[in-house]
Amino acid sequence: AQSVTQPDIHITVSEGASLELRCNYSYGATPYLFWYVQSPGQGLQLLLKYFSGDTLVQGIKGFEAEFKRSQSSFNLRKPSVHWSDAAEYFCADGAGSYQLTFGKGTKLSVIP
Amino acid sequence: DTGVSQNPRHKITKRGQNVTFRCDPISEHNRLYWYRQTLGQGPEFLTYFQNEAQLEKSRLLSDRFSAERPKGSFSTLEIQRTEQGDSAMYLCATANSSFSETQYFGPGTRLLVL
Repeated sequence: AQSVTQPDIHITVSEGASLELRCNYSYGATPYLFWYVQSPGQGLQLLLKYFSGDTLVQGIKGFEAEFKRSQSSFNLRKPSVHWSDAAEYFCADGAGSYQLTFGKGTKLSVIP
Repeated sequence: DTGVSQNPRHKITKRGQNVTFRCDPISEHNRLYWYRQTLGQGPEFLTYFQNEAQLEKSRLLSDRFSAERPKGSFSTLEIQRTEQGDSAMYLCATANSSFSETQYFGPGTRLLVL
């Protein structure tokens, strides 16, 4: 069965600092990978996705992610964090079935 | 608003009562998914429709849960004889299989069972 691991439950960064959120997937075939963001009490907004092609994908709000097959990783990055980026971030894998398998999420706090 | 909508946004009910949630998809999205999210967890898949056909159900979906998508448009998720363990956020997502597998989520319905 697929699994997605987000090793960091909570990360705190200062505004303007760089950010990297980790995600590891377990499915063997080429995955369909997603990053979503969720603000408190809200649904999930798609940040970016990777299906194939260029392993560095650009998303909304200045986020990017890099697919590394050798490391089974799909880490999310942003060069300079804004206070409005404080939210919970979920990595998901859609390969092998129609459903998405989500990680447990990483909560991001931003210090002004 | 052309996004996925869900109603109600919040529901408080007493244990043993039945509740029904509604999801209206993005126009022309033929796939519709229901997920459940509990505190501190990522969403977990419940069930999936392609047009009006329910094609997949999770083992999480007990006999007390039923979902429908009449005419392949909106969907309803009903929970009968609610239990405190049903308290969660119920998320609906839709996708258009003609374009990609990207799922777009609604704002969710937060259920509290007292």
